[in-house]
Amino acid sequence: EAGVTQFPSHSVIEKGQTVTLRCDPISGHDNLYWYRRVMGKEIKFLLHFVKESKQDESGMPNNRFLAERTGGTYSTLKVQPAELEDSGVYFCASSQGQLAGLLSSYNEQFFGPGTRLTVL
Amino acid sequence: AQSVTQLGSHVSVSEGALVLLRCNYSSSVPPYLFWYVQYPNQGLQLLLKYTSAATLVKGINGFEAEFKKSETSFHLTKPSAHMSDAAEYFCAVRTNFNKFYFGSGTKLNVKP
Repeated sequence: EAGVTQFPSHSVIEKGQTVTLRCDPISGHDNLYWYRRVMGKEIKFLLHFVKESKQDESGMPNNRFLAERTGGTYSTLKVQPAELEDSGVYFCASSQGQLAGLLSSYNEQFFGPGTRLTVL
Repeated sequence: AQSVTQLGSHVSVSEGALVLLRCNYSSSVPPYLFWYVQYPNQGLQLLLKYTSAATLVKGINGFEAEFKKSETSFHLTKPSAHMSDAAEYFCAVRTNFNKFYFGSGTKLNVKP
């Protein structure tokens, strides 16, 4: 079974440009999450989709970030225009369930390898 | 509010030595605690998780962690380090709705 995949693995862009990151969750996983790690800091939650709906987008930094999940399959995260502070590693994760109170594999989040974004 | 503190951004041990990676958490509710490992160019992989069934949790690759409520700690240990353990390790707290709060990570270096 394929895991969570992310594309591209690396992206180098200039300040002011637009970049779109893609995440393909594990097939059948309704829940999709985006996280970001700025260099040397903690991994921070950005947002959570349940199918195509945004369940929680409290971690989105500002309105330069737009996440979509049309059709409830893959998701994209667009940064427009990119700023220097947007550099970091963007992780995607997916799970079948979403309730941490039920700590079975059904609710486990599986992470992708991340996209390393560098804004010059 | 939930937060996680990992003491030491870099830890270096000799092969065969004890590995101890520290994690302290803050949680307003009973915590669900995790350790993840990231090998170079790979995603985060679950090492182990605390489910409240037992305070000593055993994970993959010989790692284990002990939940100590009085100390709000969930330190990760392994009796004998192997070269293949070199990676970055993340401690995390998870909320009821599957939202993770991660520590800043600890890079483990294993010297031959």
